[in-house]
Amino acid sequence: QKEVEQDPGPLSVPEGAIVSLNCTYSNSAFQYFMWYRQYSRKGPELLMYTYSSGNKEDGRFTAQVDKSSKYISLFIRDSQPSDSATYLCAMTFMNSGYSTLTFGKGTMLLVSP
Amino acid sequence: EPEVTQTPSHQVTQMGQEVILRCVPISNHLYFYWYRQILGQKVEFLVSFYNNEISEKSEIFDDQFSVERPDGSNFTLKIRSTKLEDSAMYFCASSEGAGDPYGYTFGSGTRLTVV
Repeated sequence: QKEVEQDPGPLSVPEGAIVSLNCTYSNSAFQYFMWYRQYSRKGPELLMYTYSSGNKEDGRFTAQVDKSSKYISLFIRDSQPSDSATYLCAMTFMNSGYSTLTFGKGTMLLVSP
Repeated sequence: EPEVTQTPSHQVTQMGQEVILRCVPISNHLYFYWYRQILGQKVEFLVSFYNNEISEKSEIFDDQFSVERPDGSNFTLKIRSTKLEDSAMYFCASSEGAGDPYGYTFGSGTRLTVV
C-alpha cells in the first residue's frame, strides 16, 4: 500500500469555481500536513501547513485534516486562472529535529477563464 | 524573501560521468535536504544533512551519491557515475530545524538529463 495517495487529475474547472483536492495516507505517525503548489519545472512552494485535525483557512485556501480517516483536503474558493498548477500534498513527523517529507503524486489543476 | 538557490538550472551529461549539483540554502537554516522528481512521478526524499553529517538517507541514495557542505554557504550533491535513470529534477531544500516543517523551503531545481 502506497503511503500517500493523490489523484493526479487533471482537474479542469471554470474561473470562480470551488476546487477540492484530496489525499489519503496510511501511516498514522504523520503529524504535519502540507500543501505545496508547483508550477511546471519549478520547485514546490508551500501554500498551507497544519498539524491538527480540523480546518485552517488562509485567504481563498482552506486546509482540512481528518486524522481518524487519514484524509486531507485543500479547498480553493473563487479559483483563478493563476491557480493553474500542480498541487502536492506532503506529510511528515517529528524526527530528531529534521523532517523528511512524503509527497503525493500531485493533482494538476487547470482553471479556465 | 529568502530563497534557496540552485545551480545549474539544467545540466546534460553523458552516462558514466560525474555531476555535481549545487545549492545555497537559506542562511540561518540548519537542516539541508535533497529530493528528486522523475518526470511524471512523485517528489522523493534522497538525503538530509545536519551538522556536517547525513541524518537520514533513502534507499535511492546509494554509494553513487554523496553530499557535502564544502564551505559556509554551499551544499552539493554529487553523483559519481551517472545512469540514464538518474535523469530527473533535483530539488534542494532547507529548514530552520526543530522538526517544524513550516520553514521548509525548496529551490527551483536542477534538471539533470543523462544521455
